Amino acid sequence: DADVTQTPRNRITKTGKRIMLECSQTKGHDRMYWYRQDPGLGLRLIYYSFDVKDINKGEISDGYSVSRQAQAKFSLSLESAIPNQTALYFCATSDPGTGNSYNEQFFGPGTRLTVL
Amino acid sequence: GENVEQHPSTLSVQEGDSAVIKCTYSDSASNYFPWYKQELGKGPQLIIDIRSNVGEKKDQRIAVTLNKTAKHFSLHITETQPEDSAVYFCAASQTGYSTLTFGKGTMLLVSP
Repeated sequence: DADVTQTPRNRITKTGKRIMLECSQTKGHDRMYWYRQDPGLGLRLIYYSFDVKDINKGEISDGYSVSRQAQAKFSLSLESAIPNQTALYFCATSDPGTGNSYNEQFFGPGTRLTVL
Repeated sequence: GENVEQHPSTLSVQEGDSAVIKCTYSDSASNYFPWYKQELGKGPQLIIDIRSNVGEKKDQRIAVTLNKTAKHFSLHITETQPEDSAVYFCAASQTGYSTLTFGKGTMLLVSP
């Protein structure tokens, strides 16, 4: 089974709709991240959480919100979706001191979101 | 904040050739530089990283070099194979425990 899962994998929605993307992990990591990937723009950090009580804005947080429901769950919400939020969204986890690298991030398979 | 520039954006090579991807960073306090590989339809995966107290690191056919004075680091892939075809991202952070700033990615295509 995958260590980092994202649901849904694909979503098409309309402008103005509220959308929630969910991320779950079985790695036991404290740190979780949400990224957005656009062609030619790489990976940009939206929000991150270093533990259940910690939420931080990333580079491009406007128009997004998050909820850390438990160590294993981190959700990303678009309160009122707009077309320029059409992108590939990735969740990632990390735990300093584990793995082969002291800050290796483990990515989920991604959610492709289309806002019409 | 940190800014990471990555070049080229696309790179086409013949199987067996070498490939080099270069990145520059702006924050002199950055000291951790990982490289991620993203295969089609998947999330990125760490392939190699380097810390600022090391100038070069090698793992089989891939190597990374770091020049802290010039604030640039590079990924070298030798004897490329079709399965090396993917998007590669460089990244930088101040410590191994803070967030990563990614470059915009390089699409590598290895032709048989």
